[in-house]
Amino acid sequence: GQQLNQSPQSMFIQEGEDVSMNCTSSSIFNTWLWYKQDPGEGPVLLIALYKAGELTSNGRLTAQFGITRKDSFLNISASIPSDVGIYFCAGLPPSGTYKYIFGTGTRLKVLA
Amino acid sequence: EAEVAQSPRYKITEKSQAVAFWCDPISGHATLYWYRQILGQGPELLVQFQDESVVDDSQLPKDRFSAERLKGVDSTLKIQPAELGDSAMYLCAILGRGGSYNEQFFGPGTRLTVL
Repeated sequence: GQQLNQSPQSMFIQEGEDVSMNCTSSSIFNTWLWYKQDPGEGPVLLIALYKAGELTSNGRLTAQFGITRKDSFLNISASIPSDVGIYFCAGLPPSGTYKYIFGTGTRLKVLA
Repeated sequence: EAEVAQSPRYKITEKSQAVAFWCDPISGHATLYWYRQILGQGPELLVQFQDESVVDDSQLPKDRFSAERLKGVDSTLKIQPAELGDSAMYLCAILGRGGSYNEQFFGPGTRLTVL
């Protein structure tokens, strides 16, 4: 099935650094969701975005709904070891089917 | 309280055997999804329910997979017979309601290993 382009694919950072990742699509979306998944667990919803240009924060996490409606960005400030995991974006097309399309994931590793 | 419960959490089976997974969301969620997630990849939709009706099962391998949601609440996903390539995480998700109507919440998943 279709998957969204997510980058970077993986990243190693030092504790305390900021992290940026993004998700791009060739088509527009009405909603963007960002998830974090720990090994052996289901994805946990971090942030939901509903309008183009919207900027939403959840603690140290900030996500933006791109103006073109074809991309979204997630930033993590002052990373800590528990930020380790795989981050997925998911976009909802304006088709009315409520069928989400998922990104390929960004694997984050934090070095203490 | 978690929105979605799944069982079992882990399942090991031999190929050609039948397996079943169960999903139990908090009641009131009309839309329910089953996804398969191969290690290192994003979830891929298998089937989508609206209440008890299937609205999308285009990616469900119907020769061996079946899904039902008889009363529009909990749901089961079955594989018969299981094949080696079915080893994956099987995730159930629901669409939120009220103020979170476009938000999708996942259960903890069932990790299937086929030997």
